[in-house]
Amino acid sequence: KNEVEQSPQNLTAQEGEFITINCSYSVGISALHWLQQHPGGGIVSLFMLSSGKKKHGRLIATINIQEKHSSLHITASHPRDSAVYICAVRTNTDKLIFGTGTRLQVFP
Amino acid sequence: ETGVTQSPTHLIKTRGQQVTLRCSSQSGHNTVSWYQQALGQGPQFIFQYYREEENGRGNFPPRFSGLQFPNYSSELNVNALELDDSALYLCASSSPGTGLTEAFFGQGTRLTVV
Repeated sequence: KNEVEQSPQNLTAQEGEFITINCSYSVGISALHWLQQHPGGGIVSLFMLSSGKKKHGRLIATINIQEKHSSLHITASHPRDSAVYICAVRTNTDKLIFGTGTRLQVFP
Repeated sequence: ETGVTQSPTHLIKTRGQQVTLRCSSQSGHNTVSWYQQALGQGPQFIFQYYREEENGRGNFPPRFSGLQFPNYSSELNVNALELDDSALYLCASSSPGTGLTEAFFGQGTRLTVV
């Protein structure tokens, strides 16, 4: 079993839909990252969380430390949101462990 | 854009050859981590360098080695390349011990072994 699990693996949505991607982890962490990876490989850090909730534009990330679970929400999804979204946890020894990603496709 | 740059962006090598990938870290960051991302997979931790010393390693064989320089830039060296080494190699710089830290990623080097 992976230490960081994401669901779903693949997600298809129509433009405008509300999207949720989930991440569960089984190790002690100091922080959790949500990352966006576009075709070609470049990774952009969207959020870093250690508690609570963060919002940036149409993106919202939440984390529940007790339940070892985080969610990334996209409101009013748009085709340009199509990408792979990766959850990564920073362990207490400062290593990053990544989930395998959620491939999102948003159609017009 | 982050201040982390990787070179080259793409590379094709033959099985058995050696390769060196380079990463310059974000200004002020003294820790560099390297990751291998196979197609369709999440990144896998290779190793981390902190102040020029290896500071943790994932499940990669010794033919994966690295260096960190006094300016905190880093190299990843892979000897005796195998076909399965074909992947995107990512580096990320960070500065631990500063409270909440952020990892800044480079764009990656896509290595193809033929």
